[in-house]
Amino acid sequence: DVKVTQSSRYLVKRTGEKVFLECVQDMDHENMFWYRQDPGLGLRLIYFSYDVKMKEKGDIPEGYSVSREKKERFSLILESASTNQTSMYLCASIVTNTGELFFGEGSRLTVL
Amino acid sequence: RKEVEQDPGPFNVPEGATVAFNCTYSNSASQSFFWYRQDCRKEPKLLMSVYSSGNEDGRFTAQLNRASQYISLLIRDSKLSDSATYLCVVNPSLGSWGKLQFGAGTQVVVTP
Repeated sequence: DVKVTQSSRYLVKRTGEKVFLECVQDMDHENMFWYRQDPGLGLRLIYFSYDVKMKEKGDIPEGYSVSREKKERFSLILESASTNQTSMYLCASIVTNTGELFFGEGSRLTVL
Repeated sequence: RKEVEQDPGPFNVPEGATVAFNCTYSNSASQSFFWYRQDCRKEPKLLMSVYSSGNEDGRFTAQLNRASQYISLLIRDSKLSDSATYLCVVNPSLGSWGKLQFGAGTQVVVTP
């Protein structure tokens, strides 16, 4: 069974803390994504990676960075968490010949 | 104007009834279209891709109307387990999956 695994389901952090969200996929997919999902706004792309060490900014990259050192792992970093980064974060990888996205279970981050 | 728009609902549907809803998109050059299902507090999962000729998967039928720039999803003989939020996903790019656009979702509630 194909799988995208996110390291933390629920996190509570304080303003200014550094936050790491990790994502691992076991499908050998080249493309991986980090989205955030907020009520009424849908999924918004933070960063996209199309290969190891390659990344592209999405629609809302401000305040975030990413790391893709290995094909299976894509990490999202919040250098200094702020309250407006309280959200659900979803990692995904994609089957490029069909366009099917596989999502992790999500990481619900609360920044106090 | 949002790039992909959906009626947020909720659509309250008696068990056994039919429900249909649309998703409009703004980019006429959009290439591929998908419906995802998201259960409460879960990750989105692919329900079906939407093909130009329309396609059916059991009780679910998806249609694409390029002239009016919308896709639709129809659910026949609704089951309680169909209660979920249905996300519309559009790819405006050919050859790249980095620009996927998501609707905010349509909530469907099937009642006994």
